[in-house]
Amino acid sequence: EAGVAQSPRYKIIEKRQSVAFWCNPISGHATLYWYQQILGQGPKLLIQFQNNGVVDDSQLPKDRFSAERLKGVDSTLKIQPAKLEDSAVYLCASSPGGSGSYEQYFGPGTRLTVT
Amino acid sequence: GQQLNQSPQSMFIQEGEDVSMNCTSSSIFNTWLWYKQDPGEGPVLLIALYKAGELTSNGRLTAQFGITRKDSFLNISASIPSDVGIYFCAGRGTGGFKTIFGAGTRLFVKA
Repeated sequence: EAGVAQSPRYKIIEKRQSVAFWCNPISGHATLYWYQQILGQGPKLLIQFQNNGVVDDSQLPKDRFSAERLKGVDSTLKIQPAKLEDSAVYLCASSPGGSGSYEQYFGPGTRLTVT
Repeated sequence: GQQLNQSPQSMFIQEGEDVSMNCTSSSIFNTWLWYKQDPGEGPVLLIALYKAGELTSNGRLTAQFGITRKDSFLNISASIPSDVGIYFCAGRGTGGFKTIFGAGTRLFVKA
């Protein structure tokens, strides 16, 4: 079974530029998560989708971050404009939904550096 | 909001030693999860716990869901060099969908 795919793996941008990350979850997984992991910290949930609907986006800085999950499969996370403090690893995870839905499977992450 | 306190922050041990780390919360959790993260990779699920008092093993790893539902611990027996990494606890509280992660325990194993 293929795991969660993310691209790009690394991205370096200047502040005030825009950036987008892509995630392809495990086939059949209804729930998709985007996390931000700052160096030395645990992952922090940005947004959670159930199929193509948003379940929780309470910690998403909506003035600059946006995410979508069209057709309930792939997802993109965008930052516009980026700030220095956005430098972090952005992790995508998916889970099956229903029983066992709390077990999240993570992709390798995208390491973003904002200069 | 809900927070998880994970300890210790880091551990330096000799190969073959047993390791114990724990996670506590000020509020009740319904689910506890333990993950391991290697450098440059995403966290990998080790053990999932769903009932208070539950004790679950995965090879040399054993984790328990505390009776009070406010804590969990992870034990690693007979550590080996490939156990090196960051171990995260994560929990899901009552009445919400969000999974909260601890700050991690960094494990270093000396051969």
